[in-house]
Amino acid sequence: DSGVTQTPKHLITATGQRVTLRCSPRSGDLSVYWYQQSLDQGLQFLIQYYNGEERAKGNILERFSAQQFPDLHSELNLSSLELGDSALYFCASSVRTGDGFEQYFGPGTRLTVT
Amino acid sequence: AQSVTQLDSHVSVSEGTPVLLRCNYSSSYSPSLFWYVQHPNKGLQLLLKYTSAATLVKGINGFEAEFKKSETSFHLTKPSAHMSDAAEYFCVVSLLYSGAGSYQLTFGKGTKLSVIP
Repeated sequence: DSGVTQTPKHLITATGQRVTLRCSPRSGDLSVYWYQQSLDQGLQFLIQYYNGEERAKGNILERFSAQQFPDLHSELNLSSLELGDSALYFCASSVRTGDGFEQYFGPGTRLTVT
Repeated sequence: AQSVTQLDSHVSVSEGTPVLLRCNYSSSYSPSLFWYVQHPNKGLQLLLKYTSAATLVKGINGFEAEFKKSETSFHLTKPSAHMSDAAEYFCVVSLLYSGAGSYQLTFGKGTKLSVIP
């Protein structure tokens, strides 16, 4: 158990809908990262927050957004969902941001868009 | 461009034989490197990391990796495979996102390890 929790574990929704994925980092970790894992794209970095502020953006679509709250939990919002958004979404956390800091991953949320 | 390449998408070994999972990186500097493992329907677990200290890094479950700058490689090895090692393994490099001024993890495509009884 990494100490990172994600809810829900599974989510099934229809195209055009909006969903929110939640992540609680390890105790003491200030940085939260979101990743998307799909069969064709592999594991891709989406976005990072550090102590409530957006720090870096990766391959995140404009239909997706995220935020980190004062208690350091984070939410990833996915809107206008398409079939291609079906994937495993991981949250990770690290104590700080910078080179060499390992990230601890949650169990993931499996999103299925029908 | 900075990247990481896992040379085999699938490796199959017999139980008790050595494991070698190959990884090459491309970077203009000596990056931090990691190996993560993902068991079926599970999250990713850190196996080991290299951050410019000792070039031979020991990780959990008997795995180790050697950083070779001249070969730009960071191959993962284990002397004797166990059935529980069957999983997908990711070589990961920490790269500087110049636009953001922060370091991010970039994952290889993964190597699926099968262990034959």
